[in-house]
Amino acid sequence: GAVVSQHPSRVICKSGTSVKIECRSLDFQATTMFWYRQFPKQSLMLMATSNEGSKATYEQGVEKDKFLINHASLTLSTLTVTSAHPEDSSFYICSARGGGLGEKLFFGSGTQLSVL
Amino acid sequence: RKEVEQDPGPFNVPEGATVAFNCTYSNSASQSFFWYRQDCRKEPKLLMSVYSSGNEDGRFTAQLNRASQYISLLIRDSKLSDSATYLCVVNMENYGQNFVFGPGTRLSVLP
Repeated sequence: GAVVSQHPSRVICKSGTSVKIECRSLDFQATTMFWYRQFPKQSLMLMATSNEGSKATYEQGVEKDKFLINHASLTLSTLTVTSAHPEDSSFYICSARGGGLGEKLFFGSGTQLSVL
Repeated sequence: RKEVEQDPGPFNVPEGATVAFNCTYSNSASQSFFWYRQDCRKEPKLLMSVYSSGNEDGRFTAQLNRASQYISLLIRDSKLSDSATYLCVVNMENYGQNFVFGPGTRLSVLP
């Protein structure tokens, strides 16, 4: 099946710093990528949808200036958490679709962000 | 009302048991449906798509009832390795909403 690589898997940072998370589709061209956040014992919450070459569409309540998403190519999308605060600590997961693979979503392995 | 609702769980069942999960969705325009499983702090993995005619994959059977806006997942002869959280996912892409995940139902299969 299609592979989506997400890095880093875990990051610990100080409050006020920015953290970049990468999501790559390794063997297909991802026309659309999704970014989710998941708090403990809760379900995935969609943050934003990004299409290659265009601006991301953010879900209601998600600050676009805080969570910067760039989908510069068909195989790479990045999420940057700017000026991170402890309340941003969460599990962030990307998913991708495209490449003639229909509706199926392929997920990255997730990034556990801990902001001290 | 939430867009996708699931049995709250957790379900604790012995090995070999049969267990069923229910899911309801609020938007009648929803176009496609899936079951994913997620292990703790891991990414969700597609278990199966759900079709109107119902579909089966080994010990897993999924059913869809569009009239009642209801989806189910049946697991027969449960294994310890089936322990996970099961997520009901509804795609409403044609109506401006991408994949919407239910809150999940936690299953623990006990030896």
